[in-house]
Amino acid sequence: DTGVSQNPRHKITKRGQNVTFRCDPISEHNRLYWYRQTLGQGPEFLTYFQNEAQLEKSRLLSDRFSAERPKGSFSTLEIQRTEQGDSAMYLCASTLGSDGYTFGSGTRLTVV
Amino acid sequence: EDQVTQSPEALRLQEGESSSLNCSYTVSGLRGLFWYRQDPGKGPEFLFTLYSAGEEKEKERLKATLTKKESFLHITAPKPEDSATYLCAVQRNTGKLIFGQGTTLQVKP
Repeated sequence: DTGVSQNPRHKITKRGQNVTFRCDPISEHNRLYWYRQTLGQGPEFLTYFQNEAQLEKSRLLSDRFSAERPKGSFSTLEIQRTEQGDSAMYLCASTLGSDGYTFGSGTRLTVV
Repeated sequence: EDQVTQSPEALRLQEGESSSLNCSYTVSGLRGLFWYRQDPGKGPEFLFTLYSAGEEKEKERLKATLTKKESFLHITAPKPEDSATYLCAVQRNTGKLIFGQGTTLQVKP
């Protein structure tokens, strides 16, 4: 693996639709993080996994958001009933232990 | 409450004009302080991790320093290719990173 891969790179969706993003971490990394970044702001923590266990979720993560990491490999982030306020860059990062976080290029979501 | 504040929000320099970016933080249980570079439309790119007050790290024209309350990213003789947003983040015991809002640096030739 050469890095963290995120798909799709861009997603435009209509308000009320569901969207799903995928993150493929560096293969030996056991921790995987999701962040959200809006224009002019730093990334905000959403949730993280150690292997397949989801260990922490931010208060930002409403019940419309769900994340999974089956078998401790790739992860998906789903947003149900999207709202315009969900428009942002969704970033995934992985790490072995708690050092050397590597970020993906992100998925830019636009809700119209 | 954990907080990370970066200043200035934006910085314009002439090529070769050295300067410093500031990151002030309050956090319980600091494990490390991270600096990242982010280019438009891309994910953050790792630069440095600092773990204890007094620690310094260097990479090309960049040098990061850490005290008990703040960190500085010094840029010596910057070039236009150093233009980017620089993000500071503190790491809590759980491993998650709490980011500042970033400093957008523009270096003019």
